Amino acid sequence: GENVEQHPSTLSVQEGDSAVIKCTYSDSASNYFPWYKQELGKGPQLIIDIRSNVGEKKDQRIAVTLNKTAKHFSLHITETQPEDSAVYFCAASSYNAGNMLTFGGGTRLMVKP
Amino acid sequence: DAGVIQSPRHEVTEMGQEVTLRCKPISGHNSLFWYRQTMMRGLELLIYFNNNVPIDDSGMPEDRFSAKMPNASFSTLKIQPSEPRDSAVYFCASSFSSGPETQYFGPGTRLLVL
Repeated sequence: GENVEQHPSTLSVQEGDSAVIKCTYSDSASNYFPWYKQELGKGPQLIIDIRSNVGEKKDQRIAVTLNKTAKHFSLHITETQPEDSAVYFCAASSYNAGNMLTFGGGTRLMVKP
Repeated sequence: DAGVIQSPRHEVTEMGQEVTLRCKPISGHNSLFWYRQTMMRGLELLIYFNNNVPIDDSGMPEDRFSAKMPNASFSTLKIQPSEPRDSAVYFCASSFSSGPETQYFGPGTRLLVL
């Protein structure tokens, strides 16, 4: 089955700096890669996703890149703000798995004012 | 849209008691997922329904756990008897079923078994 590794497990940045979180996956058939943000006491919320037919996707300060050859994908947050502080999860899915997602272990991002 | 609705939001019970968690998926979604989240094990998929039918329950820890989906708008996760190690946050999520798709999570039920 699919295995998703996520690094780092914690990340501390200064407000205004950029943050990068990286994930690797094992199943070459995976073709859907969402990123979720989980704030304290809440459920994970989708912030951006990418499918295997594109290499990069942007939404304002957030971008995701995908390298299918190397089987890794990354989340980039620019101009970080204190409200970006949360736990971020990457995930992967393929048609072989129906629509089940395999999640990474999570990254706790702390943005210091 | 109200999003995925879960109840109760918090549950405190004593070891040995039956616990029932409830979920209402987003209207029109036909896949439903139950997850458990702990610090030690992260997000674990317990069971997955498609069109009200259980598709994969390999993540259900043991026979003490059971899940049902009697119709497209309601699902339950039951633990009987509950144990302290079941203490966790339980999430329900729903999605469309046409292949890999976004899952929308509910707010979760925080369960504490004493």
